[in-house]
Amino acid sequence: DVKVTQSSRYLVKRTGEKVFLECVQDMDHENMFWYRQDPGLGLRLIYFSYDVKMKEKGDIPEGYSVSREKKERFSLILESASTNQTSMYLCASTEQGARQETQYFGPGTRLLVL
Amino acid sequence: KQEVTQIPAALSVPEGENLVLNCSFTDSAIYNLQWFRQDPGKGLTSLLLIQSSQREQTSGRLNASLDKSSGRSTLYIAASQPGDSATYLCAVLRGSYIPTFGRGTSLIVHP
Repeated sequence: DVKVTQSSRYLVKRTGEKVFLECVQDMDHENMFWYRQDPGLGLRLIYFSYDVKMKEKGDIPEGYSVSREKKERFSLILESASTNQTSMYLCASTEQGARQETQYFGPGTRLLVL
Repeated sequence: KQEVTQIPAALSVPEGENLVLNCSFTDSAIYNLQWFRQDPGKGLTSLLLIQSSQREQTSGRLNASLDKSSGRSTLYIAASQPGDSATYLCAVLRGSYIPTFGRGTSLIVHP
């Protein structure tokens, strides 16, 4: 059974803290994605990666960075958390060249920045 | 830029009804269209994937159709149950590995 896991289901952080969100997939997928989901705005792509050490900005990369040192792990970093980064964060993965394949999502991390 | 719209935004039906959720997209040059289910506070679970060369896909009580020329897809749920209550999202993939998502239809099936 395919699986995408995220390191935390819930996180509470203070403004200005550095925050790490981890995502791990066990499907040997090349492509990995980070989204945030907010009421009324839907899913918005933050960053994606199509290979180890490769990354591309999505629609809303400001205030975020990512790291992909190993194929199975894709980390999202909030360099200095702000209250407007309070959101649900979702990680996903898919095979490269997988235009006919589904995306697999993790369970999400709900982040609250105080 | 691809835009994906889902109508209605919310739907409440009694148990047992057959229902249709709609998804429309502006650019018909797509590789595939997926329907997902999301339970409150959870991630997305893929329900059905329709490839660009296909017209429909079925899984149990779910049937999804695709009409690329008109930029539309429908998700048909037969004999709805309270356990079907969730948000349903569609996503289209074109030209890259990045899907474009609709904002979803929130479905409540009451006993």
